[in-house]
Amino acid sequence: EAQLLESGGGLVQPGGSRRLSCVGSGLTFSNYVMSWVRQAPGKGLEWVSAISGSGGRTYYADFVKGRFTISRDNSKSTLFLQINSLRVEDTAVYFCAKIFGDKFDYWGQGTVVTVSS
Amino acid sequence: SYVLTQPPSVSVAPGQTARISCGGSNIGIISVHWYQQKPGQAPVLVVYDDSDRPSGIPERFSGSNSGNTATLTISRVEAGDEADYYCQVWNRNTDQAIFGTGTKVTVL
Repeated sequence: EAQLLESGGGLVQPGGSRRLSCVGSGLTFSNYVMSWVRQAPGKGLEWVSAISGSGGRTYYADFVKGRFTISRDNSKSTLFLQINSLRVEDTAVYFCAKIFGDKFDYWGQGTVVTVSS
Repeated sequence: SYVLTQPPSVSVAPGQTARISCGGSNIGIISVHWYQQKPGQAPVLVVYDDSDRPSGIPERFSGSNSGNTATLTISRVEAGDEADYYCQVWNRNTDQAIFGTGTKVTVL
């Protein structure tokens, strides 16, 4: 069974940057579209970004506005999310998820990003 | 942008049936997926492609989709079903995933 493990979260000052990682196991990582979904404290799920299996195509939510960059290293079964110009409203749990068809069939446990001065 | 609207909360007695709606313009022509999320945990897919269930999900969970409303139905509700539920679609016009606003199911 597929397993996803996120890391890289932490406390960041407004305007700072953070690189999140997600390592996949139990799956042929390069075969699947991967995605990031976030959840602000007490709020609902919010899709952030997705990337094709080869990494050649990327997709972003409108609110990203060039601040986030998704990438992957299939040789290491790892997904990344680079978040720049962090804002207080980016405070959230960031989940990594595998996409099959157009649904999210496996999720990691999430990594927490807190943006505060 | 495409919006999926869910009721904020649904309350149901044990053994009864809970129905959670997900409203969206012509949602009946696209596949809808449903997730269950318990506090402090990652979401879990409970229904996909409107009405199919992943392995390991009880038959008590079912779904339907028509017109402007998709519905997740939980039959014979148990205390363990208390959670937040989200619908989700993929907008092929914009290549973006969209989640519903979420519904908190409370078992009385």
